[in-house]
Amino acid sequence: DARVTQTPRHKVTEMGQEVTMRCQPILGHNTVFWYRQTMMQGLELLAYFRNRAPLDDSGMPKDRFSAEMPDATLATLKIQPSEPRDSAVYFCASGQTRDGHLGSIDTQYFGPGTRLTVL
Amino acid sequence: GIQVEQSPPDLILQEGANSTLRCNFSDSVNNLQWFHQNPWGQLINLFYIPSGTKQNGRLSATTVATERYSLLYISSSQTTDSGVYFCAGAETSGSRLTFGEGTQLTVNP
Repeated sequence: DARVTQTPRHKVTEMGQEVTMRCQPILGHNTVFWYRQTMMQGLELLAYFRNRAPLDDSGMPKDRFSAEMPDATLATLKIQPSEPRDSAVYFCASGQTRDGHLGSIDTQYFGPGTRLTVL
Repeated sequence: GIQVEQSPPDLILQEGANSTLRCNFSDSVNNLQWFHQNPWGQLINLFYIPSGTKQNGRLSATTVATERYSLLYISSSQTTDSGVYFCAGAETSGSRLTFGEGTQLTVNP
């Protein structure tokens, strides 16, 4: 039963600390997405990769956030330094796209999320 | 950026009832999707439907791209349909995906 996994599931940290969230996409999927969900902003697409290359990260605060795919089985989202306003649930999703455009994706499969609390 | 408006914001049904959820966009979109988030927070991508109609079991979706809206139909609702339904679309000129605020659905037994 293929699924997207995310670690850690919960993270509590203090302001100023570095936070790294990890995602293992479904094997064979070529596109990985990072989303953030908060009560105030709702769901937001932060960034997405295709074949490990970043295609769009316009939704991500550039000064403190970074997203990478070191290999096809691992995507990471880092926040340095973290701030209380970064508290949210961060979801990773993977899917298959025919090209690099969001319009070519059929279905994306979500991980369970990482609940981040920054004190 | 585009604005995404979902209606109704809340909906309470008895099991077995049918319902229609609506999503309006302020501008043309080239990627329209529906998502379901269950009460435990798990997200599921229901449909990718830039235009036309698709069906998956008791759920179906219709997008009228020229009029910038999409509808999600739930027939013979079950308690497991409870949760929040989101729609999202990307502007034709870019790749930014914008979500609506969601419709909170509660199906009572």
